[in-house]
Amino acid sequence: GPKVLQIPSHQIIDMGQMVTLNCDPVSNHLYFYWYKQILGQQMEFLVNFYNGKVMEKSKLFKDQFSVERPDGSYFTLKIQPTALEDSAVYFCASSLEGGPYEQYFGPGTRLTVL
Amino acid sequence: AQKVTQTQTSISVMEKTTVTMDCVYETQDSSYFLFWYKQTASGEIVFLIRQDSYKKENATVGHYSLNFQKPKSSIGLIITATQIEDSAVYFCAMRDNYAQGLTFGLGTRVSVFP
Repeated sequence: GPKVLQIPSHQIIDMGQMVTLNCDPVSNHLYFYWYKQILGQQMEFLVNFYNGKVMEKSKLFKDQFSVERPDGSYFTLKIQPTALEDSAVYFCASSLEGGPYEQYFGPGTRLTVL
Repeated sequence: AQKVTQTQTSISVMEKTTVTMDCVYETQDSSYFLFWYKQTASGEIVFLIRQDSYKKENATVGHYSLNFQKPKSSIGLIITATQIEDSAVYFCAMRDNYAQGLTFGLGTRVSVFP
């Protein structure tokens, strides 16, 4: 099926530092998402991005979080500054359109904040 | 607010048999979409099948089928002729007509033994 790529697969940083997680969505997809999964817990929605704007965000999407996709390049999630509770696996997803269209997920980036 | 509940933590089955997983959901909306994903041992998240709330027919894709019982807010997943490679964690998810983000259940771990 369609492939979403994520870089890096694992990132270790010190608390208070900035981190950028990169996502290469499916080429013709228009909607992009970030989800967070803490070990042993369910995946939780963070944010949805379309046409250069945040369309929807959850309460987990703190002020320290930001997303962008400059000039059709990587779709990025930036956390600045990071906190210990940001340690999790972050999954990027994309879909052709909104509505009922299924979302395709990347392999995730494991973020460890020390 | 939406909620998705998967009460079965884990299921073990013999190869070539049928496994059934439960999922119940809560939503205020009359129109919504239900999805099943699986997460493999490597962490890859794979879309399996979708059910639109307005469709009465149960969706079927390959050896995956759904048991959609709208009055009970239930969307069970049935896997027939299971294979070893079906061993994974299966997540039920939903979104309504207005939200873009998926709401996930906690998942059911399926182990298929030879």
